Amino acid sequence: LAKTTQPISMDSYEGQEVNITCSHNNIATNDYITWYQQFPSQGPRFIIQGYKTKVTNEVASLFIPADRKSSTLSLPRVSLSDTAVYYCLVGDGKAAGNKLTFGGGTRVLVKP
Amino acid sequence: NAGVMQNPRHLVRRRGQEARLRCSPMKGHSHVYWYRQLPEEGLKFMVYLQKENIIDESGMPKERFSAEFPKEGPSILRIQQVVRGDSAAYFCASSPAKDLKTQYFGPGTRLLVL
Repeated sequence: LAKTTQPISMDSYEGQEVNITCSHNNIATNDYITWYQQFPSQGPRFIIQGYKTKVTNEVASLFIPADRKSSTLSLPRVSLSDTAVYYCLVGDGKAAGNKLTFGGGTRVLVKP
Repeated sequence: NAGVMQNPRHLVRRRGQEARLRCSPMKGHSHVYWYRQLPEEGLKFMVYLQKENIIDESGMPKERFSAEFPKEGPSILRIQQVVRGDSAAYFCASSPAKDLKTQYFGPGTRLLVL
């Protein structure tokens, strides 16, 4: 499974845009990039998933350059409730028994 | 459209007792996964099951831990003779057969071993 590297923590303020970049240099051809959000004492919540270029939903945008060796999760106009840990994962759902490998994630703190 | 359900949400056991954690996947999902999370750490994969089959248990400790996903009913993660080191949050996730690259997580069971 491709290993991912992301910043340990990021601080932001309400109303700002938060961009979290994840490196995955060994991403395989069939791998997708998936981001999860986890609040304290809760299970991870699926945010967004993409393969290449740009994906946008009601929560976030995901930017993936042509070489796919990194990706950036963009959270527009964050609020205090966006304070959470964000995990970047790569995989195709078929390799290595379909298990997800979570790294340490990025702790995002949104300040008033 | 209920999500993944886990119960109990909190479980307290004394050393040596057994812990049983239950997971009901989302409707229509036939693939279940169990993960363990220690404080301030990411989730660690334990086991992947389909109905009546264990597909990958490479993350399960060799002793005291077992998992099942029967034809009827929830998936069960069973921990025998619990020790303090088993204290953690245990999360269950499920996927539909047609989209294995996306897993949907339950709220977790927090196990505390006294």
